[in-house]
Amino acid sequence: SYVLSQPPSVSVAPGQTARITCGGNNIGSKTVHWYQQKPGQAPVLVVYDDSDRPSGIPERFSGSNSGNTATLTITRVEGGDEADYCCQVWDSTSGQYVFGTGTKVTVL
Amino acid sequence: QVQLQESGPGLVKPSDTLSLTCAVSDYSISSTNWWGWIRQPPGKGLEWIGYIYYSGNTYYNPSLKSRVTMSVDTSKNQFSLKLSSVTAVDTAVYFCARRATTSSCFDDWGQGTLVTVSA
Repeated sequence: SYVLSQPPSVSVAPGQTARITCGGNNIGSKTVHWYQQKPGQAPVLVVYDDSDRPSGIPERFSGSNSGNTATLTITRVEGGDEADYCCQVWDSTSGQYVFGTGTKVTVL
Repeated sequence: QVQLQESGPGLVKPSDTLSLTCAVSDYSISSTNWWGWIRQPPGKGLEWIGYIYYSGNTYYNPSLKSRVTMSVDTSKNQFSLKLSSVTAVDTAVYFCARRATTSSCFDDWGQGTLVTVSA
């Protein structure tokens, strides 16, 4: 089945930029979505269709997708951005929705 | 803003059937959305279980298909999950979620409910 790989952790200082990668075979040909999940809470969609933002999500969150890597970028990082971030695609070959392994973002 | 709320037993015995219901409010379950179940074992990542359309059409994760049954009750605006022959590996937080109308993302989620499989 299709595998999405993410770094386990990313650390970033407040005000700086965090980049979270999601690797998959030719992921650029798929549509990628990103979720933020804080401890004990449900995931929240922060980027969909590679680079679109749901209403209410700050412009600081952006996404890109090309080749074998999709990237979620968080600019001007704040303490409230500390959370786990997970990517997701629909894999038509295996007939299932696939989630990434997740990345814990720590704000220093 | 749609609200989703999971309910069901928090403890299930091995080999029994796990049963959960997701009540949907402030939105019609008969709209053009698929309604899904996703789970997350403690400390691990998310796993899609499957989803159902208001018509009753279903689509399951191939790895769980033999044990999963989903149903929908439009009169109560809710949908349900049954997972049979559970073992300890089925211990997880179970979320219900709405798949977006025009995208393959899940745009609204319930708060999740922990189901522990133990004797």
